[in-house]
Amino acid sequence: EPEVTQTPSHQVTQMGQEVILRCVPISNHLYFYWYRQILGQKVEFLVSFYNNEISEKSEIFDDQFSVERPDGSNFTLKIRSTKLEDSAMYFCASSDGGSGNQPQHFGDGTRLSIL
Amino acid sequence: AQSVTQLGSHVSVSEGALVLLRCNYSSSVPPYLFWYVQYPNQGLQLLLKYTSAATLVKGINGFEAEFKKSETSFHLTKPSAHMSDAAEYFCAVSASWDQGGKLIFGQGTELSVKP
Repeated sequence: EPEVTQTPSHQVTQMGQEVILRCVPISNHLYFYWYRQILGQKVEFLVSFYNNEISEKSEIFDDQFSVERPDGSNFTLKIRSTKLEDSAMYFCASSDGGSGNQPQHFGDGTRLSIL
Repeated sequence: AQSVTQLGSHVSVSEGALVLLRCNYSSSVPPYLFWYVQYPNQGLQLLLKYTSAATLVKGINGFEAEFKKSETSFHLTKPSAHMSDAAEYFCAVSASWDQGGKLIFGQGTELSVKP
């Protein structure tokens, strides 16, 4: 069964450094998402992406964050200058429909640790 | 705005007992509702979805959920718990695409299964 893959599984970065989290969505999916889960808290929406542009972003997704689909397969999340509070599990998801009734398929996540 | 409330952050059952995980939603439009399961160090796996068809929805691993509009509920049940069901369970509501198609998650319920 096709799956969403994320790399790396764990990223340790010094505060203030840039980090790029990578995702390969399911190949025929057109809608892409990033979520994060701070330890012990619920999963929070960050951003949705369709047709090479952001469809919606949350208050968390400030100017330090950006997303890109650099080629036909990868979907990346960049944090320009990391802060301690960016430490979390980051999940990528993709869907083949954007009307809300199509399920989103999640990767196993990248655990980001900011020192 | 849409929201989800999961009653009980932790539920413990004995193997073979009924599993009942509670989810209540708030939505100004007919909702799309999902249950996801998260095993340790893994991503979110779709258990089942409600998208305005049958109100009783069957999912994987013997789980099912019933949509009750009058109670704004979408509780997850399984007749007989198995040790392998121990995991974190998340209820989520989906916004329609003109709202970004994002998933809004509840706080999660950790299910423990005792031998």
